[in-house]
Amino acid sequence: GAGVSQSPSNKVTEKGKDVELRCDPISGHTALYWYRQRLGQGLEFLIYFQGNSAPDKSGLPSDRFSAERTGESVSTLTIQRTQQEDSAVYLCASSLRTTSGASTDTQYFGPGTRLTVL
Amino acid sequence: AQSVTQPDIHITVSEGASLELRCNYSYGATPYLFWYVQSPGQGLQLLLKYFSGDTLVQGIKGFEAEFKRSQSSFNLRKPSVHWSDAAEYFCAGGTSYGKLTFGQGTILTVHP
Repeated sequence: GAGVSQSPSNKVTEKGKDVELRCDPISGHTALYWYRQRLGQGLEFLIYFQGNSAPDKSGLPSDRFSAERTGESVSTLTIQRTQQEDSAVYLCASSLRTTSGASTDTQYFGPGTRLTVL
Repeated sequence: AQSVTQPDIHITVSEGASLELRCNYSYGATPYLFWYVQSPGQGLQLLLKYFSGDTLVQGIKGFEAEFKRSQSSFNLRKPSVHWSDAAEYFCAGGTSYGKLTFGQGTILTVHP
């Protein structure tokens, strides 16, 4: 079946502009995660959605970052008034949570969106 | 705070040689542990995962990892490296909550 898809694959924007990044998770996956990968660094957790529960936004670096998810489908990560330090690859992952809530499931990652802020 | 550390930023091995990539974790309880590989221009692919039970975990592409509680380690190994194994490798830890904490990554270069 189809994996996690993300669009666009590359985005170049000017400082101060807003950008929207899209993630289509694997069908049926209830959990969705956004991570950021800066050049030469590991992945940083940004935000997590699980079903209809309130999202965990604890990783968002500033109030310029926000994300939405419609039900258990598409998610959009929005960065307002972009700064050069926002340049990174933004990765989305999805997983199938167990009914008990334990996360013994595997996160499947999309190819990422490479964001460059000039 | 939870953390995952990969001490080696870059490792170079010859094709056919054995490989060990190090990973150390710091968690209040035993975390779930993962190894992912990222090839240039590709997304992350799961190599293997440890949740409980047998401390020696087998993964795809001939990789294995051993969980050692006494050393807080989860090192990745492969007995004979192929040129196609050249990539960046990430160790990650998680709890029942689901959010993963990643190490900084180790870049593997394979010489012919």
